[in-house]
Amino acid sequence: AQSVAQPEDQVNVAEGNPLTVKCTYSVSGNPYLFWYVQYPNRGLQFLLKYITGDNLVKGSYGFEAEFNKSQTSFHLKKPSALVSDSALYFCAVRDSGGYQKVTFGTGTKLQVIP
Amino acid sequence: GAVVSQHPSWVICKSGTSVKIECRSLDFQATTMFWYRQFPKQSLMLMATSNEGSKATYEQGVEKDKFLINHASLTLSTLTVTSAHPEDSSFYICSAKSDSNQPQHFGDGTRLSIL
Repeated sequence: AQSVAQPEDQVNVAEGNPLTVKCTYSVSGNPYLFWYVQYPNRGLQFLLKYITGDNLVKGSYGFEAEFNKSQTSFHLKKPSALVSDSALYFCAVRDSGGYQKVTFGTGTKLQVIP
Repeated sequence: GAVVSQHPSWVICKSGTSVKIECRSLDFQATTMFWYRQFPKQSLMLMATSNEGSKATYEQGVEKDKFLINHASLTLSTLTVTSAHPEDSSFYICSAKSDSNQPQHFGDGTRLSIL
């Protein structure tokens, strides 16, 4: 079975500082990995994905994520946090093979402090 | 691109009534649509997966007769909560994707409150 872990329920960071939101995964085959952001009472917005290729993936709003196969991680990063980045972030994974269902992590609340 | 519209955004209704939620892909053809339920401060719980023109595949523990899903076209899927009760109150979110390698794109969700 595939799974995703987001070990931190909440991450606090000062505005202008770099941020990292952690994600580790488990799949039987090669992973497809995704990050989504959710603002209050809204659906999820797609930020970025890793399918294949470069381990460093760049996405929307200045976010990027690094795929690390040996550590089975896909941490979300941004060099300089904005107050408007405060939201709930979800990591998701699915197997590139026959099991097509996406599994979401439990979410990490990012709070950027002015 | 890849816009998904979900309607209505908020519904309040009496116990025992049925509620229909629409999910539309506005600028792409969605071969697969998904319906999720999200409880406060929790992750998304997949309820069912629907492919255009075929019956939906429900997750274990989700009542097919209570949560009716129809995916009649490549741009529209509907979720009908039949005979809704207060315990059905939740945030329901749909998503759609065009093919297997593409990410899911989400609607803005529907807040359902049953009195």
